Parts: sequence; C-alpha cells; structure tokens
Amino acid sequence: KQEVTQIPAALSVPEGENLVLNCSFTDSAIYNLQWFRQDPGKGLTSLLLIQSSQREQTSGRLNASLDKSSGRSTLYIAASQPGDSATYLCAVADSNYQLIWGAGTKLIIKP
Amino acid sequence: DTAVSQTPKYLVTQMGNDKSIKCEQNLGHDTMYWYKQDSKKFLKIMFSYNNKELIINETVPNRFSPKSPDKAHLNLHINSLELGDSAVYFCASSQDILNTEAFFGQGTRLTVV
Repeated sequence: KQEVTQIPAALSVPEGENLVLNCSFTDSAIYNLQWFRQDPGKGLTSLLLIQSSQREQTSGRLNASLDKSSGRSTLYIAASQPGDSATYLCAVADSNYQLIWGAGTKLIIKP
Repeated sequence: DTAVSQTPKYLVTQMGNDKSIKCEQNLGHDTMYWYKQDSKKFLKIMFSYNNKELIINETVPNRFSPKSPDKAHLNLHINSLELGDSAVYFCASSQDILNTEAFFGQGTRLTVV
C-alpha cells in the first residue's frame, strides 16, 4: 500500500533563503508526482507535475526532482518570499490512477 | 474565471440532515474527483468519475452519493449527516484518468453540529 510522507511538517525561514521540502513514497510504481500549495480559503494549486519517466521539472523559482528508485522527491524554492508562505503538499498517482497524498509541510517565510 | 468551483464554501448543519455540495469545472476535463481532507490534513479520495461514469469508489459510507449530470459537474450528496462527516471536501478535475494535472476547487468546510 502506497504511503507518502513529507518532512518537515513545518518550516520557518527568513526571506531570501533557498529551501528544500522533502517527500518520500513507499512504492516506486507511480505514474507521476505532483506538488501543490494550499492557501487558506483558496483551495489547492498545482505547482509542478513530474511524470514517472522524468527526473525534474522547473517553474520560475521552483524546481522539483524525482528519484523513483529511492522513493523521493524534493521541492526546491529559490530566493524565498513572504508570498511563498503556504502548506505544500506532495501527491503521487499510483497504479490505480489515484492520488495518494502526504500530510504537507507548512512553510512560513519571515519578512 | 474560476476553473473548478464548488458551492457552498462553508456549510454548517445539524446531525441527521441531508445536504449537497456542488462542483463545476469549465476546463473541458473528462475526469472529476471528490476528496475529503481530515483533521491531519491528509486528503483521501472518495470518488472519481470519468465521462460521467463512476471509476473509483473508495470505502465511504453509503450515505455519500455522487451524481454527475454531465462531464462538467460532479455533485456530492450526503444523507443523515453525522458529526464525523465534519471536514473540508475538495472537488477536483483532470484532463483524463491518468491525472496528468489536477485542478482543485476552493474546498467546502462542512461542520456538523
């Protein structure tokens, strides 16, 4: 049974720092992996999607990597800004096409 | 112009009542989902519809019944609401069943008192 874990559960860093969020999954048989951000009252926003055949995806200051063999993905945020404060969720699409979610990392960027 | 919209945003109701949450997507997607977010922030899939047909039906009480009148709509009806049904419910859509990219609604915070 696929399980997704995100570490740390919460992170607070000063503005301008680069940071890494971690996601691990127990079953390497995935179709893709997505990173989302969740803002209160605004639902979930898809940030990056990595297909199982890919190793990374980039969008602006965000870079997500995928290592299927080790069951890990990282979300790298460069030059963090207060507007990046949100909860970041990782989800993998398993062999049944279902999204299995982590519990999220709550990120606070201090001005 | 909201891609996936669900109403209402907040819903407070008494135990035993029947309520519905509506979801609409204007992305032309084939697949729509309902997720429940529990107190630990885990999102668990409840239902998935592809082209109006039920694809995924996780172990949820029979009191929960999804209805898809057309590809753009997936409504969630809940009968005989219980305290444990209190949660945030998210509707989502994706172009197809392979979850190429999922788009989510704002969520509906359901509180059963």
